[in-house]
Amino acid sequence: EVQLLESGGGLVQPGGSLRLSCAASGFIFSSQAMTWARQAPGKGLEWVSAINSDGTTYYANSVKGRFTISRDNSKNTLFLQMNSLRAEDTAIYYCAKDETGGRLEYFDYWGQGNLVTVSS
Amino acid sequence: QSVLTQPPSVSAAPGQKVSISCSGSSSNIGNNYVSWYQHLPGTAPKLLIYDNNKRPSGIPDRFSGSKSGTSATLVITGLQTGDEADYYCGTWDRSLSGVVFGGGTNLAV
Repeated sequence: EVQLLESGGGLVQPGGSLRLSCAASGFIFSSQAMTWARQAPGKGLEWVSAINSDGTTYYANSVKGRFTISRDNSKNTLFLQMNSLRAEDTAIYYCAKDETGGRLEYFDYWGQGNLVTVSS
Repeated sequence: QSVLTQPPSVSAAPGQKVSISCSGSSSNIGNNYVSWYQHLPGTAPKLLIYDNNKRPSGIPDRFSGSKSGTSATLVITGLQTGDEADYYCGTWDRSLSGVVFGGGTNLAV
């Protein structure tokens, strides 16, 4: 059974940093692209970042230069390092598994989400 | 402003049919497969449709998808109250080199 479990969220001040983790199980993690998406309060789903199995990374313009996606295949874990956080980064963050061989056209499993609140 | 355009809300009575549209461009829908997700805020989004019109195992055939040119459509028949949720389309955008989602459509049954 595929499972994705996010952790690392919480309350952080504007300008601060936070690192999210997504522990994966039930599939060959190293072979799959992975992604992060978020949902701000009252808003829709927004894609944040993705990483292919070969380590190629992609970012939404809204987070480029501030967020870094990475993966540790030895620990089946996906990460999102978030720096220079802003109030508008407040959201529930979801990790998800790609099932398109890295084309990133759809995500078949999603985590339950982890809340990040940026506020003073 | 989302790259993919969806109606903010749709509604229909139980047992009826509803269609949700998703409009894009040649850089996204026009040249890539479209997927659809059902989402209740605070829960894990669920994949409903992938590759424009395929259903993952466990998704009832009341849910169907189609694509024509730079637009896609999700159709839900035999509506149930349990279908009340937000629905999102998504795909890859070649110009942005990123994933794009629609703004979401809230379904009221």
